[in-house]
Amino acid sequence: AQSVTQLDSQVPVFEEAPVELRCNYSSSVSVYLFWYVQYPNQGLQLLLKYLSGSTLVKGINGFEAEFNKSQTSFHLRKPSVHISDTAEYFCAVTPANTNAGKSTFGDGTTLTVKP
Amino acid sequence: DVKVTQSSRYLVKRTGEKVFLECVQDMDHENMFWYRQDPGLGLRLIYFSYDVKMKEKGDIPEGYSVSREKKERFSLILESASTNQTSMYLCASTRDSGGPRNEKLFFGSGTQLSVL
Repeated sequence: AQSVTQLDSQVPVFEEAPVELRCNYSSSVSVYLFWYVQYPNQGLQLLLKYLSGSTLVKGINGFEAEFNKSQTSFHLRKPSVHISDTAEYFCAVTPANTNAGKSTFGDGTTLTVKP
Repeated sequence: DVKVTQSSRYLVKRTGEKVFLECVQDMDHENMFWYRQDPGLGLRLIYFSYDVKMKEKGDIPEGYSVSREKKERFSLILESASTNQTSMYLCASTRDSGGPRNEKLFFGSGTQLSVL
């Protein structure tokens, strides 16, 4: 079985500052990793995913994440945030070659960008 | 773009009522999923379906059932609603592409169900 831990439940940050949302996972098998964003009153949207290859993954809206196998982490970063990035962010893991819909999701991190 | 539509944004029901949550997708996706989302608990998979009339239990199926009579529609049923089923319910779909390499999970906007 897999598990996901998002280390921060809430991250407040000022506009144009950098941000890092932390995600650790555990699994006995190879996994795929995902970050999703949920804006208020909306469903989740995929930000980026790591399947294999380069450990640095670039996604939409200027976000990127780095897969670190030795530390079993998949932290999400953005060098300069905007007010519009205020949302809830979910890290998810699924065994390799398993449908993404069966992912195990983290508890979520609420990012609040202040002017 | 793919659209996943959940019929109600807010729903208020009484304890013991039978509740139907409807989800429709318009892109001929084979796979459909129901999750519940609770603060501090993330998303938990209730049921999923890989094909018409096919269903499989997810991580928390107790108290729920599903129906998939047509490919585009996946219904979540609460046979006898209870207060601990008050939650946000999210539906999602994806094409059967053999794995996450090529697939993308599309979510509906959610139904906030309150059971009084």
